[in-house]
Amino acid sequence: SAVISQKPSRDICQRGTSLTIQCQVDSQVTMMFWYRQQPGQSLTLIATANQGSEATYESGFVIDKFPISRPNLTFSTLTVSNMSPEDSSIYLCSVLSSGANVLTFGAGSRLTVL
Amino acid sequence: AQRVTQPEKLLSVFKGAPVELKCNYSYSGSPELFWYVQYSRQRLQLLLRHISRESIKGFTADLNKGETSFHLKKPFAQEEDSAMYYCAQTGGTSYGKLTFGQGTILTVHP
Repeated sequence: SAVISQKPSRDICQRGTSLTIQCQVDSQVTMMFWYRQQPGQSLTLIATANQGSEATYESGFVIDKFPISRPNLTFSTLTVSNMSPEDSSIYLCSVLSSGANVLTFGAGSRLTVL
Repeated sequence: AQRVTQPEKLLSVFKGAPVELKCNYSYSGSPELFWYVQYSRQRLQLLLRHISRESIKGFTADLNKGETSFHLKKPFAQEEDSAMYYCAQTGGTSYGKLTFGQGTILTVHP
């Protein structure tokens, strides 16, 4: 399965700032996704990162708050904009391995907003 | 809306005892169900999926459409099974768009 590298692995940020999380995959993948795991909560899908076009956002998530880039088939970024303490979460990049139809996850980026 | 329910947040058993982690889903179509596991300091990884009908690390899970359940079972728990377990489903639109349950922390005592 694909190997996913995410960075930063963790960060502490000030309210009102923005942070960009990077996701690098060791092979070309068709589908990339961003999930969020809030403290004590389950994983929730934020959006599907589409290569060469705008990301597809799930209900409750908007592009202005979570802009996503996907310039090629191995890389994507998620930006958390104008952060508030409620954005403190683990953000996970995941990819769909073609043929296996199984999601593989990165290690996650733990974000704490003060 | 799709919903996956794992009623137990915490589950403790002793080594060698049987273990069952419960999962109920709400999708009325033909869902695909998964169990993911996260061991301490490791990333989330697939444990098994119902379509494969296989046993992984001694765990099995059977999809019961009548009860809309996908419980995870193991006849003899081991200490290394201690982890967070998530049940998840996809509604058929994409294998990448999963709805996760709240997770169950399994602790296997020596």
